Amino acid sequence: QQQVKQSPQSLIVQKGGISIINCAYENTAFDYFPWYQQFPGKGPALLIAIRPDVSEKKEGRFTISFNKSAKQFSLHIMDSQPGDSATYFCAATLPFKGAQKLVFGQGTRLTINP
Amino acid sequence: EAGVVQSPRYKIIEKKQPVAFWCNPISGHNTLYWYRQNLGQGPELLIRYENEEAVDDSQLPKDRFSAERLKGVDSTLKIQPAELGDSAVYLCASSLDFSYGANVLTFGAGSRLTVL
Repeated sequence: QQQVKQSPQSLIVQKGGISIINCAYENTAFDYFPWYQQFPGKGPALLIAIRPDVSEKKEGRFTISFNKSAKQFSLHIMDSQPGDSATYFCAATLPFKGAQKLVFGQGTRLTINP
Repeated sequence: EAGVVQSPRYKIIEKKQPVAFWCNPISGHNTLYWYRQNLGQGPELLIRYENEEAVDDSQLPKDRFSAERLKGVDSTLKIQPAELGDSAVYLCASSLDFSYGANVLTFGAGSRLTVL
């Protein structure tokens, strides 16, 4: 119930293309959906996030699409660049003991070919 | 401003040996988290501190793992004795306000543990 399922595990996209990563969840108590970006040897860093009452959020080349009825959300990276090559994690927060507990997906290793 | 500082960055030990990881959070951040990230997986929460109080340690394997955050600033995570399955990256994170934990969680670079 606390899981967030992410796909694909790995993704290769040509420079300038669109990268799409999908996530799904079951627990309707999740109330916030962030995406994290992690480069090798670094910790995850918050990239973009969305609340469940919004269907889409865009920040630069990064867009989250959220489908509450289907319990699915996705990250779209437009005009993908080699510098976007990293591992991406979707996540969801769950109210827990007076705060929010962050649950991560399994991650997608994205490679952008020049 | 320095980010979340962790040490050591890498540690290789024999099984059954003890190991400790240290974390210094961002100055002024009251909430500190320890996560474990297995190879090819997302991070999983081990423990969350509000100042010096451990408020969520439900996923900490208490038979061999311990943590402390004396004076509510830096923190130490210890494993004793280590097992082969403990090989992972141990991530520390901090946030200003636990009620906005997801929004402003800042991670350190992690400590990679290899147990032989």
